[in-house]
Amino acid sequence: GQQVMQIPQYQHVQEGEDFTTYCNSSTTLSNIQWYKQRPGGHPVFLIQLVKSGEVKKQKRLTFQFGEAKKNSSLHITATQTTDVGTYFCAGPPNTGNQFYFGTGTSLTVIP
Amino acid sequence: DVKVTQSSRYLVKRTGEKVFLECVQDMDHENMFWYRQDPGLGLRLIYFSYDVKMKEKGDIPEGYSVSREKKERFSLILESASTNQTSMYLCASSLVPAWGEQYFGPGTRLTVT
Repeated sequence: GQQVMQIPQYQHVQEGEDFTTYCNSSTTLSNIQWYKQRPGGHPVFLIQLVKSGEVKKQKRLTFQFGEAKKNSSLHITATQTTDVGTYFCAGPPNTGNQFYFGTGTSLTVIP
Repeated sequence: DVKVTQSSRYLVKRTGEKVFLECVQDMDHENMFWYRQDPGLGLRLIYFSYDVKMKEKGDIPEGYSVSREKKERFSLILESASTNQTSMYLCASSLVPAWGEQYFGPGTRLTVT
């Protein structure tokens, strides 16, 4: 079954509003990665977090990796129309040789 | 500039046909991956390869096989296509370690009728 769930599945925001997507894994992950897929495009790597409780920022984007390494979040401050797309979390479990993507959150920004 | 290319953007095949999806990367990456992407399910790993002639099953390998005869090329094979294999297929590659940043190709939208 699906190992990594993301909520919400869809989010519509007015330009300038904040946005957060949450990622929850059924198993402990050795790292968490975030990808962005623009409409009609392919996933593009944004960032990787490795340590428990790690927080990283990229301009208006803030990424967190949970203490138990089973959840993560991506927060965008003051969204812009260029933020439109689907955001995926992804990562390998601590044991076994696999790689799981989350179900994704599709962000629409209304100008 | 990193590049992963896939043989077709769109493909239409009939049920029962053998289908080959080709992926080539020019980054000298050891690791290559095949995913399928379906709405609401995200990307699911079908197979991956960490070296020439090596392959490992991903989460959903049933109905698929792969071939990696050269480092830069990774092929996905549908031995007998079925309608439930209609999907977007994405190829990716990564450096060592395998589970780091992945670079994706543009995808192949396969329709099986």
